[in-house]
Order: sequence, then C-alpha cells, then structure tokens
Amino acid sequence: EPEVTQTPSHQVTQMGQEVILRCVPISNHLYFYWYRQILGQKVEFLVSFYNNEISEKSEIFDDQFSVERPDGSNFTLKIRSTKLEDSAMYFCASRGTGRAANYGYTFGSGTRLTVV
Amino acid sequence: EDKVVQSPLSLVVHEGDTVTLNCSYEVTNFRSLLWYKQEKKAPTFLFMLTSSGIEKKSGRLSSILDKKELFSILNITATQTGDSAVYLCAATQGAQKLVFGQGTRLTINP
Repeated sequence: EPEVTQTPSHQVTQMGQEVILRCVPISNHLYFYWYRQILGQKVEFLVSFYNNEISEKSEIFDDQFSVERPDGSNFTLKIRSTKLEDSAMYFCASRGTGRAANYGYTFGSGTRLTVV
Repeated sequence: EDKVVQSPLSLVVHEGDTVTLNCSYEVTNFRSLLWYKQEKKAPTFLFMLTSSGIEKKSGRLSSILDKKELFSILNITATQTGDSAVYLCAATQGAQKLVFGQGTRLTINP
C-alpha cells in the first residue's frame, strides 16, 4: 500500500536554529499538507500546497515557516528560527484526485521536533 | 470559529463490547467528515463521509453522517484489544483544510 514517508522521525534542535522536515508524498497525489500536533493537543492545520504553490495557510504558518517542492518527489517544511513552542509532532499528508480522493488524506508517520 | 468536538474524550470497555464514538462539527464551507485511527504516530484513514444518512461499513466498524444535526458517529462492534487507539474525527473546511477534534482515547481491556 502506498505510503507517505517522513524523515527524520525525531529531531532535536537548539532554539534559533533552522530545521528542514522532509516528506515524500504518494507519487500520484497532487495535494500536499503539513499539520502539527503539540503533545496532548489537537492536530492543527499548517499549510496546503497544490500546483507548486501554497493554496491555504493557517495563522500558525507565519514568516518563520516555508514549504518547498524542490523536485518531483520531495515536499519540505522549513522553520527558519525555531522557538520552544515549535516543539511538536509534524505530519505531512497528501491527497489524490478523482477516485483516489475517496480515500481521504494519507498521513506520514510524523517527525517529532524537540526544540531545546 | 470552526470547531470539531468529540465525545467521550476517553472510554474504557471490555473486549467484545460495542462502542459508539461521537463527533459534532461547526465548520464553514463543510465538504466531508473523516475518521482516523491513531495508534502510535500516523493517523490511518478509516472513513470519509460526504452524504447524510448513508452508512459506511468496514468489517466491525461503521460510520454515519447527519448533515442536518451536524454530527457523525463511529461504531465498533465486538471490540478487540487491537482496537485500542485514539480515534480522530476531522471535517474538511473549504477545499483543503482538515479541522480536527481532540480525539477519543479508546482502551479495550481483555
């Protein structure tokens, strides 16, 4: 069964450092997303990406965040200057179109980011 | 403000019991409601509901959506210890975004 792959599974970084979280969405999916889940809280939407541009972003997704699809397979989330409150599990998701859309959004296993 | 509320937050039952998990939503530009099972990390897809009153089934799991009353339920019959997980409900808001509930932590005791 096709999977969304995320790397690394766990990253520890110092406050103020830049981090890049990587995702390989399902190959024929066209819509890509980042969500995050702070420990003990709800899963929150960060950003959606389609046709090589951001289609929607939340209030959380401020100027410290950026996304990129540098090639045909990877989808990355960059946090420029991490803060303690950025510590969370970050999930990448992708979604197909047509019949594939009936199977919802496929989530990756997540990257646990710990900012110290 | 868009919101999705799940109840109960936590549920402990014995193997073999039937459980019903609830999800209510108030989301602008609502399109569909999704249920996910989250065990260790990645939420895994269970159901997507777009039409009111049509039950979707997958083995011992079933779900239905009521777009008039703005809620959905997830039923699990003959529960097994492997059903222990956090069950997430999410509503699509507009074309892209999922708004999640806080989840129901289900524990099945042998």
